[in-house]
Amino acid sequence: AQSVSQHNHHVILSEAASLELGCNYSYGGTVNLFWYVQYPGQHLQLLLKYFSGDPLVKGIKGFEAEFIKSKFSFNLRKPSVQWSDTAEYFCAVNGGGSSASKIIFGSGTRLSIRP
Amino acid sequence: EPEVTQTPSHQVTQMGQEVILRCVPISNHLYFYWYRQILGQKVEFLVSFYNNEISEKSEIFDDQFSVERPDGSNFTLKIRSTKLEDSAMYFCASSESYRGPANNSPLHFGNGTRLTVT
Repeated sequence: AQSVSQHNHHVILSEAASLELGCNYSYGGTVNLFWYVQYPGQHLQLLLKYFSGDPLVKGIKGFEAEFIKSKFSFNLRKPSVQWSDTAEYFCAVNGGGSSASKIIFGSGTRLSIRP
Repeated sequence: EPEVTQTPSHQVTQMGQEVILRCVPISNHLYFYWYRQILGQKVEFLVSFYNNEISEKSEIFDDQFSVERPDGSNFTLKIRSTKLEDSAMYFCASSESYRGPANNSPLHFGNGTRLTVT
């Protein structure tokens, strides 16, 4: 069965600090990986996704993530965070085959940025 | 940009009552989903729906739950007899490709309906 682990439940940073949020997944086959963001009071939005090709994926708002297959990881990074990045971040995985129709979310990481 | 819309934004109901949560997916999308997020917990998959039938469902989606696409635009989630533990934020999502996220077609989520069961 697929699963996703996000080890950081709450991260607090100052503006301009660099960010890295960890995500590990367990699934033996080919995976598609996602990061979603949920700003306060808003719906889930897709930040970036990895399907194949270059393992370094660039998303919106300066975010990027690197797929490291040997480590089953898909960490989210941003070199310099802003106060507006305060949100909940969810890593998600989708495997093929019988589970092709759904994605599984991690428990989320709450990011708080001090102005 | 087209959006997935959900109504109502907040629904309060008494235990044992039936509720229907409504969603209007993006018009050219073919795959539909319901997820829920209990306060402080992860977003959990409930069910996926394609071609007027359920494609996949989780263990959470028991006989108390049902989904329907009553017309060409709405996608509903019904909870027959609500329990306290059904209190959660319910998210509807849709994707363009008939194979959903596995075919490079990300999910688009609605704003959610907060269900409170008292």
